[in-house]
Amino acid sequence: AQSVAQPEDQVNVAEGNPLTVKCTYSVSGNPYLFWYVQYPNRGLQFLLKYITGDNLVKGSYGFEAEFNKSQTSFHLKKPSALVSDSALYFCAVRDDGATNKLIFGTGTLLAVQP
Amino acid sequence: DARVTQTPRHKVTEMGQEVTMRCQPILGHNTVFWYRQTMMQGLELLAYFRNRAPLDDSGMPKDRFSAEMPDATLATLKIQPSEPRDSAVYFCASGEQGSEAFFGQGTRLTVV
Repeated sequence: AQSVAQPEDQVNVAEGNPLTVKCTYSVSGNPYLFWYVQYPNRGLQFLLKYITGDNLVKGSYGFEAEFNKSQTSFHLKKPSALVSDSALYFCAVRDDGATNKLIFGTGTLLAVQP
Repeated sequence: DARVTQTPRHKVTEMGQEVTMRCQPILGHNTVFWYRQTMMQGLELLAYFRNRAPLDDSGMPKDRFSAEMPDATLATLKIQPSEPRDSAVYFCASGEQGSEAFFGQGTRLTVV
């Protein structure tokens, strides 16, 4: 069965500093990996995805993520955090099998201090 | 802008009443998901459709929940009878197979 782990409930970072939000996954086949962001009282917004190709993928709002097959990780990064980046971040995975359902991690609250 | 539309946005109902939540997926998307979000359980996958056929509803309490896609423009999630523990935000999402899903704004359900 596929699963996603986000080991940190919360990440605190000062504005202007780099940020990393961690994600590891488990699937039986090849993974399709995604990051989403959720602001209060809103739906989830798609940030970026890895399907195939370059291990470093770039997405919206200056975010990027690195796919590491050997470590089964897909950490979200940004070189310089903004206060407006403060939100709940979800990692998600789909496998390339017949089911192909989309499973989410438990979420990581990112708090960027001014 | 193409978007997933969910109705109603908010619903307050009494325990025992039937609740129906509706979702209009993005035109052309062949997969539809229903998720429930709570503080305790996070985002739980309740049901998943591909080309209107149910593929997986293992996350859904079968005795009271049901999900259908009567046509390609409408997905429904029904709870009958509702219970206070069903209080949550219910999200619908649509996408293409193997790609990202796009979420609606959710239905906030409160069962009193």
